[in-house]
Amino acid sequence: QQPVQSPQAVILREGEDAVINCSSSKALYSVHWYRQKHGEAPVFLMILLKGGEQKGHDKISASFNEKKQQSSLYLTASQLSYSGTYFCGTPEGGSGNTGKLIFGQGTTLQVKP
Amino acid sequence: EPEVTQTPSHQVTQMGQEVILRCVPISNHLYFYWYRQILGQKVEFLVSFYNNEISEKSEIFDDQFSVERPDGSNFTLKIRSTKLEDSAMYFCASSGSEKLFFGSGTQLSVL
Repeated sequence: QQPVQSPQAVILREGEDAVINCSSSKALYSVHWYRQKHGEAPVFLMILLKGGEQKGHDKISASFNEKKQQSSLYLTASQLSYSGTYFCGTPEGGSGNTGKLIFGQGTTLQVKP
Repeated sequence: EPEVTQTPSHQVTQMGQEVILRCVPISNHLYFYWYRQILGQKVEFLVSFYNNEISEKSEIFDDQFSVERPDGSNFTLKIRSTKLEDSAMYFCASSGSEKLFFGSGTQLSVL
């Protein structure tokens, strides 16, 4: 069953913050985040492997709440280059074989000058 | 940074024809995947390949599809007797651990 992302779309001005949520009805062992720019391949952002883990990458960070079966991606002081569609992915069948990712439907982020 | 390369970038075919999509994964990776993305939709897993055999496949990956690693560097996806609904962007990916590296995709259009 695929994870559910919210919101579906976000429009921001440069410098504003955004949060993208990813939740699942099944237990999550890890959450992967990817960004896809229009017409390009998805690009890896980060993996969260443990409940409660938080990671950061530049001004993009994420948290993982295993109990709530959800992860959130935080984009701080957004830049034009942050525009794209963000996908969370969870491995089907538990912690093994993380290459078989089930992706959420995506959140389209548009950053305007 | 090493990258996954896919050819062709675009493929147009007639319904019922066979197509072969090609991928060169990152050289020291051991796990290979095909995903596809129908326009405007999410990325969907098709198949994973490890140690020269399929390790997992989705419901989409039926007898119409097959994968091969013919020469130790290329990784191919064959679609026999293409249907209109096979039109999509097909991404190859490889990994050495958890992180997936995607190729730039082959846009398949079935007419």
